[in-house]
Amino acid sequence: DAGVIQSPRHEVTEMGQEVTLRCKPISGHDYLFWYRQTMMRGLELLIYFNNNVPIDDSGMPEDRFSAKMPNASFSTLKIQPSEPRDSAVYFCASSLDRGGSPLHFGNGTRLTVT
Amino acid sequence: AQSVTQLDSQVPVFEEAPVELRCNYSSSVSVYLFWYVQYPNQGLQLLLKYLSGSTLVESINGFEAEFNKSQTSFHLRKPSVHISDTAEYFCAVTRMDSSYKLIFGSGTRLLVRP
Repeated sequence: DAGVIQSPRHEVTEMGQEVTLRCKPISGHDYLFWYRQTMMRGLELLIYFNNNVPIDDSGMPEDRFSAKMPNASFSTLKIQPSEPRDSAVYFCASSLDRGGSPLHFGNGTRLTVT
Repeated sequence: AQSVTQLDSQVPVFEEAPVELRCNYSSSVSVYLFWYVQYPNQGLQLLLKYLSGSTLVESINGFEAEFNKSQTSFHLRKPSVHISDTAEYFCAVTRMDSSYKLIFGSGTRLLVRP
């Protein structure tokens, strides 16, 4: 199993531009999570999906952020327009639909907005 | 709501010395508990978990954690650390009922010195 795959690994963009982060979860996993990691705020859960349906998006910072999961093998996190304070490492994770199942994380996308 | 507190942001220790990383949680319902490890430029990896049964759980690389319900703690220990254990360690909690939302602590950076 290739694990959770995220792309790109690094993204540098200018303020105001649209940014799209991509994630391929582990096959057979029913849950998909998007986290953001910063020095100041640590790991924050942005949104999670169950069977491609968004369950809890209360962690999404504002309307500039949106996430989709069109099928079981692909999800995107979009920021439009991007701002310097969005600079962070964004992680995607997936897990089985079973209580206590651990999360499997991708290697993250390091986003820098200048 | 659940919360996790890791009191130590950084723990320096000499190689082959014992170490304890502290974790306390707060929850009004029963929970599952996890420790994750993050090496530089990588995603988080599961180290060990407590779901039920024996309150002492072990990882394959010598770490152990003990669930203490009365003290709401889940401290991580290792009797003798290696340079390769240098990483950031995150304690996490999730409800035992239908929610799969994992809440992370702020992390503890373990720095092993020769």
